[in-house]
Amino acid sequence: AIQLTQSPSSLSASVGDRVTITCRASQGISSALAWYQQKPGKAPKLLIYDASSLESGVPSRFSGSGSGTDFTLTISSLQPEDFATYYCQQFNSYPPYTFGQGTRLEIK
Amino acid sequence: QVQLVESGGGVVQPGRSLRLSCAASGFTFSSYGMHWVRQAPGKGLEWVAVISYDGSNKYYADSVKGRFTISRDNSKNTLYLQMNSLRAEDTAVYYCAKDNWNYVLAPCWFDPWGQGTLVTVSS
Repeated sequence: AIQLTQSPSSLSASVGDRVTITCRASQGISSALAWYQQKPGKAPKLLIYDASSLESGVPSRFSGSGSGTDFTLTISSLQPEDFATYYCQQFNSYPPYTFGQGTRLEIK
Repeated sequence: QVQLVESGGGVVQPGRSLRLSCAASGFTFSSYGMHWVRQAPGKGLEWVAVISYDGSNKYYADSVKGRFTISRDNSKNTLYLQMNSLRAEDTAVYYCAKDNWNYVLAPCWFDPWGQGTLVTVSS
């Protein structure tokens, strides 16, 4: 199974900061990567698919990039509602689909 | 709008069985593959199983293969997960999620997700 490693595992930042989260795949997955946001007690919400395509309705401050094994999720200017846990997911090879371990974004 | 509502969770003893349901609305359920994904308390996300739009193809995570069965009833717009021989490590919130593609089972992301149902396996 393809393993995804996110870094950092947790991150403290302030409103207005630019934040970047990294997801590294154990083997090349082309652009078959999605990013999700999850708030406590809620279901994950799709933000980005195909590594860089913004899901409809998601604010443009979110962006994704990368291909092959290295990917990034960037939030250009953090808003209070962005503090959450973020997961990457690969869909290049299944079964199984796999997720990164998550990055918890906290308020500084 | 698309809505997925899970039910059937609860507390169950190790070795027993439980069946989860996911009621779908707001889209043509019979056209889309569907997934189950779980999340143990305080942990990350783990994909569990997928079923094609017509139920003819099913795939499972190794951790549940042979114990869990995914199925669907397109006449009732409902997805199921039959969980047998439950273990403590199956304790999790179980989410159903819609596949992106219609009429084909192909690699994809999950959108949207239901609100989840909690399964606790404990004696």
